[in-house]
Amino acid sequence: EADIYQTPRYLVIGTGKKITLECSQTMGHDKMYWYQQDPGMELHLIHYSYGVNSTEKGDLSSESTVSRIRTEHFPLTLESARPSHTSQYLCASSEWAGGVIDTQYFGPGTRLTVL
Amino acid sequence: SQQGEEDPQALSIQEGENATMNCSYKTSINNLQWYRQNSGRGLVHLILIRSNEREKHSGRLRVTLDTSKKSSSLLITASRAADTASYFCATDLNQGGSEKLVFGKGTKLTVNP
Repeated sequence: EADIYQTPRYLVIGTGKKITLECSQTMGHDKMYWYQQDPGMELHLIHYSYGVNSTEKGDLSSESTVSRIRTEHFPLTLESARPSHTSQYLCASSEWAGGVIDTQYFGPGTRLTVL
Repeated sequence: SQQGEEDPQALSIQEGENATMNCSYKTSINNLQWYRQNSGRGLVHLILIRSNEREKHSGRLRVTLDTSKKSSSLLITASRAADTASYFCATDLNQGGSEKLVFGKGTKLTVNP
């Protein structure tokens, strides 16, 4: 089992609420990622980070924001949740081999439902 | 269009049989990885094969890579009910100085006891 944690595992909220999905890893990895995955579908990269104070947008446009103040922590925030944000959100981390993608370690995911 | 696409989309076999899943991709790669996802969970890394490797084994898993055909296959031998999961291939994409993994849609494997 990878040492990467996500909370909450399940979240049901109403439209317009602000939420933060937590992700922490204890492996000392520099690179961290957020993916969005609808049931039975592929993963879409929405945010990633090379390290502290680094954040980049991924391939899928997302209204969420991320921060990386500490190496081990990479929270994702939705300022105003909408039903279109209903999905599973997966956090991952990897060592940064400087141009080569290494193994990614995934958390268990947060299943978000916005009513 | 997808960088990596798995085939078939779904596969149902009996326990003890072998399962073969294929992955095709479009651009050159440094490595290709296979991941497994149990329903509603995160992904678990299975195996990484580099572009200069042709075959790799890990327990009951065998992965092949044919860079000339831009394709890879994952073979699970002597399957068990616990192998029931979705299997994803992922290829690295080095674009504009940023490195990313691009995942396919996955093959959903069901192993019947």
